[in-house]
Amino acid sequence: DQQVKQNSPSLSVQEGRISILNCDYTNSMFDYFLWYKKYPAEGPTFLISISSIKDKNEDGRFTVFLNKSAKHLSLHIVPSQPGDSAVYFCAAISGSARQLTFGSGTQLTVLP
Amino acid sequence: NAGVTQTPKFQVLKTGQSMTLQCAQDMNHNSMYWYRQDPGMGLRLIYYSASEGTTDKGEVPNGYNVSRLNKREFSLRLESAAPSQTSVYFCASSPPGQGGGYTFGSGTRLTVV
Repeated sequence: DQQVKQNSPSLSVQEGRISILNCDYTNSMFDYFLWYKKYPAEGPTFLISISSIKDKNEDGRFTVFLNKSAKHLSLHIVPSQPGDSAVYFCAAISGSARQLTFGSGTQLTVLP
Repeated sequence: NAGVTQTPKFQVLKTGQSMTLQCAQDMNHNSMYWYRQDPGMGLRLIYYSASEGTTDKGEVPNGYNVSRLNKREFSLRLESAAPSQTSVYFCASSPPGQGGGYTFGSGTRLTVV
């Protein structure tokens, strides 16, 4: 049973528009959430994170929103750029061991 | 450049063969991890090592063994490869504290025929 779910395998957006990537989780013990970005033939790279005590975190063009009551988080990219085309993974952490549990990923394609 | 180095980048094995995937980090991180990535399933944790001298099972440990040789190196061994182990394998490391400090290697693409 997947504890972190990304229900959209793919998303296409026009350059300059907003990209919204969604993620749902089931484990209420998760206390920290992260987004990773992955290009082909490379490892995932950390993008942005949010603690469960916050509902929003912003870093440049990237904003993550957390709705704890709905067990939902989203990543907003504004404005989207062709270089943002990649697979985006949502991930969550719980427990003292601090290992990441990943979603299945969403392939974002930003069209020029 | 500082980071996580994985070898080899590609490997083809026959069913039943064994091999070891190597991983080394030069960031003085305490924790190291092995993940596998399969289509539609994201990254799943195989084994992790919270510190030198300790290892623990993750979500999908069957068919694998690990060794935390020292603080820098964490290897993953397949004793008898099976086609179900065809995957892309990623090693990662992190410092103590929040997981945002995970640094991943570039991956090993393994095919078992």
